[in-house]
Amino acid sequence: QVQLVQSGADVKKPGASVKVSCKASGYTFTTYGITWVRQAPGQGLEWMGWISAYSGSTNYAQKVQGRVTMTTDTSTSTAYMELRSLRSDDTAVYYCGRDHKAAAEVLDHWGQGTLVTVSS
Amino acid sequence: DIQMTQSPSTLSASMGDRVTITCRASQDITTWLAWYQQKPGKAPNLLIQKASSLESGVPSRFSGSGSGTEFTLTISSLQPDDFATYYCQQYNSYPCTFGQGTKLEIK
Repeated sequence: QVQLVQSGADVKKPGASVKVSCKASGYTFTTYGITWVRQAPGQGLEWMGWISAYSGSTNYAQKVQGRVTMTTDTSTSTAYMELRSLRSDDTAVYYCGRDHKAAAEVLDHWGQGTLVTVSS
Repeated sequence: DIQMTQSPSTLSASMGDRVTITCRASQDITTWLAWYQQKPGKAPNLLIQKASSLESGVPSRFSGSGSGTEFTLTISSLQPDDFATYYCQQYNSYPCTFGQGTKLEIK
């Protein structure tokens, strides 16, 4: 069965960087893209960006463009999302999700989420 | 960016009620719309894609309709498991924006 397992919660100081991992299993990793979505405490879902696990091509939301890098390691079927120059409003649960088989950018499987707290 | 606006933000309903949530796009997205359900502390769960295609395993009391800029999610007869927050998402163009969410509460 398809599973996406994310790295554990992290606490960072303002200005630092965080790298969240998302290890996929149960399918051929390079067949589907991965989307990253975040959710601030008590707030809605925010689309951050998408990466093709096949080619590595990316699309980022303008709000995080310049601070975010999404990558994949096909040898370990793992996707990564690195966010730099962290601010307090980056405190959120970060989710990875796999593309739907019939609709890229629709997430049919999700990771369990990773809480990133930015605090001095 | 395409703005997605859901209404209402909160909906109070009783078991067995028929409820409808609306999602409006700021521009034409044809049928490139998905609906998700999220429960507290959990990742969202995909219900519907391409505006009206029900995902495998999703109960048939859920249905989606619409095209262009106006879309609806209908639950025909509310069950206890349905009280959650619902989000629409457009994937017509980047960035793939979400609506702000509709919280479905027990009356």
